Amino acid sequence: NAGVTQTPKFRVLKTGQSMTLLCAQDMNHEYMYWYRQDPGMGLRLIHYSVGEGTTAKGEVPDGYNVSRLKKQNFLLGLESAAPSQTSVYFCASSYSIHRGQETQYFGPGTRLLVL
Amino acid sequence: KNQVEQSPQSLIILEGKNCTLQCNYTVSPFSNLRWYKQDTGRGPVSLTIMTFSENTKSNGRYTATLDADTKQSSLHITASQLSDSASYICVVSASGGSYIPTFGRGTSLIVHP
Repeated sequence: NAGVTQTPKFRVLKTGQSMTLLCAQDMNHEYMYWYRQDPGMGLRLIHYSVGEGTTAKGEVPDGYNVSRLKKQNFLLGLESAAPSQTSVYFCASSYSIHRGQETQYFGPGTRLLVL
Repeated sequence: KNQVEQSPQSLIILEGKNCTLQCNYTVSPFSNLRWYKQDTGRGPVSLTIMTFSENTKSNGRYTATLDADTKQSSLHITASQLSDSASYICVVSASGGSYIPTFGRGTSLIVHP
């Protein structure tokens, strides 16, 4: 049982390049989330999904797109990377948002540097 | 606007000592409050989760308290260990269909031998 895994662990991009971050979970969770974490700031929600085939915007969605084609995978895409997107990206999943099932399990993070 | 404020920003203590971290929030309507521990270079790991009706919840040497009236929570760490060195994050979720939790900026705890 690997929990939540993220690929890649680290990536360097040039401004304007595109890339996709992959998140996978093996806990059969319905809900999945993408966050970014910047120095001195709390985690901020980019996009989330409440089930296979569904996605929704979070707090800071601009410049990112997501897809949830399979229940276990949640992809985060950057179409044209900007230096402001340099950050650590965390994926998380939870069984539900309802009482007793809200705990989010986080992946190890992807460190992205945009030059 | 929903906000979560944590204090202190950073804390240094000696191994074996106790400490208390604070979390004040303005999230409304309140659903639940969670404390996470984040080791350097790792993802956050859940320590406790409390709903409106819960005042105290423990997880080993970690005890979280919640005062829903004053909208305050604390995380007490007993007999600290070197492995407790980490960032502790308070997260508050609102009820009513919003899936967007509000994260505090965290308290950085360093435990010295």
